[in-house]
Amino acid sequence: GAGVSQSPSNKVTEKGKDVELRCDPISGHTALYWYRQSLGQGLEFLIYFQGNSAPDKSGLPSDRFSAERTGGSVSTLTIQRTQQEDSAVYLCASSPKRGHQETQYFGPGTRLLVL
Amino acid sequence: GEDVEQSLFLSVREGDSSVINCTYTDSSSTYLYWYKQEPGAGLQLLTYIFSNMDMKQDQRLTVLLNKKDKHLSLRIADTQTGDSAIYFCAEKGGSYIPTFGRGTSLIVHP
Repeated sequence: GAGVSQSPSNKVTEKGKDVELRCDPISGHTALYWYRQSLGQGLEFLIYFQGNSAPDKSGLPSDRFSAERTGGSVSTLTIQRTQQEDSAVYLCASSPKRGHQETQYFGPGTRLLVL
Repeated sequence: GEDVEQSLFLSVREGDSSVINCTYTDSSSTYLYWYKQEPGAGLQLLTYIFSNMDMKQDQRLTVLLNKKDKHLSLRIADTQTGDSAIYFCAEKGGSYIPTFGRGTSLIVHP
């Protein structure tokens, strides 16, 4: 595909269940970002992957959140024991190279609702 | 941490100009961005400006940067109903991770 894709587009789960959110970045993009967008809020940075370097996990809000990026491409964000405050839109973005001028290309997001 | 502030709402009449303002605190900002988010979609980069510039124009869009006051604005000329969306300001300084504002909802009415 031409752009960043995310799945599922919508997810409804019960409090306490685990969820996995998937991101397929643009082919060849070395950098991948996860953000959380809560209602009426800006984008909250979660985690950043760059090539084979150790990821920057400084934005993960708790140890219930984790992310992997396999083979430098697809990434999965996992939320364990979901809470109602985890309800948000989770956005993934990728960018082609390392550098301050790099621009991010965003996916459509996964809308997570925790009941 | 660094902060980016935007007003939450702007309402304009179709055909008028819209001006969306943004202030930031990071004095080391090197790139400043404007993104557009339509309902149910991700963010789409509209334009960006390097910190050594004070203006950038791209068709109906004009970005003004006042680095001294750390103020960024986006002007949309001849605003159309299709411009209705949320507009995010973002800045990137010493980190590879940009800081985003909360977004300004632009409402265009006939």
